[in-house]
Amino acid sequence: GAVVSQHPSRVICKSGTSVKIECRSLDFQATTMFWYRQFPKQSLMLMATSNEGSKATYEQGVEKDKFLINHASLTLSTLTVTSAHPEDSSFYICSASRGGLSNQPQHFGDGTRLSIL
Amino acid sequence: QKEVEQNSGPLSVPEGAIASLNCTYSDRGSQSFFWYRQYSGKSPELIMSIYSNGDKEDGRFTAQLNKASQYVSLLIRDSQPSDSATYLCAVNIGGFKTIFGAGTRLFVKA
Repeated sequence: GAVVSQHPSRVICKSGTSVKIECRSLDFQATTMFWYRQFPKQSLMLMATSNEGSKATYEQGVEKDKFLINHASLTLSTLTVTSAHPEDSSFYICSASRGGLSNQPQHFGDGTRLSIL
Repeated sequence: QKEVEQNSGPLSVPEGAIASLNCTYSDRGSQSFFWYRQYSGKSPELIMSIYSNGDKEDGRFTAQLNKASQYVSLLIRDSQPSDSATYLCAVNIGGFKTIFGAGTRLFVKA
């Protein structure tokens, strides 16, 4: 069964709205989670690494003030797209590794399809 | 810059044939390797993990790893139309950092 739960699966909203996406690890603790973005027919792009109890690490070119990440507990990370605009429309996916071991595979949530009108 | 390279495809095989997907990586120190399948509009799902040189079989899937050549492959036997998807090769390069290839699109023709 699913080991990572992501919610919501789909968001359609007006330009200027802020959107929060939740990512939960199920039955295991995840000190580190990851947030990806994927445009149609393109590869996964890592946006940031979410670290429990500390600041997220953002990849080059990703605006940290635009994409706010909070990892307040060992099972929950949230991504907030602030003042979203049509160019932010994309498929956002989170992942986590079971067991907190770095050599374990990442398990992905089902993704959130964000459409900004 | 550490990289994972895959042929983007599409790779087209007839139903029942063996599909062979290949991946090369640049970080010689990598120890953990993964294959994911991603259907259109869906998130990636893990198919196989491999950590040691040689072959690892799981049902119709076989992962092959050659660290000396920095090469990892995925074989799909008795390919089915439902195997049509994009296959992502992923390599852990240390800590929690995993690099994903751009993926190979596979089409299995009925």
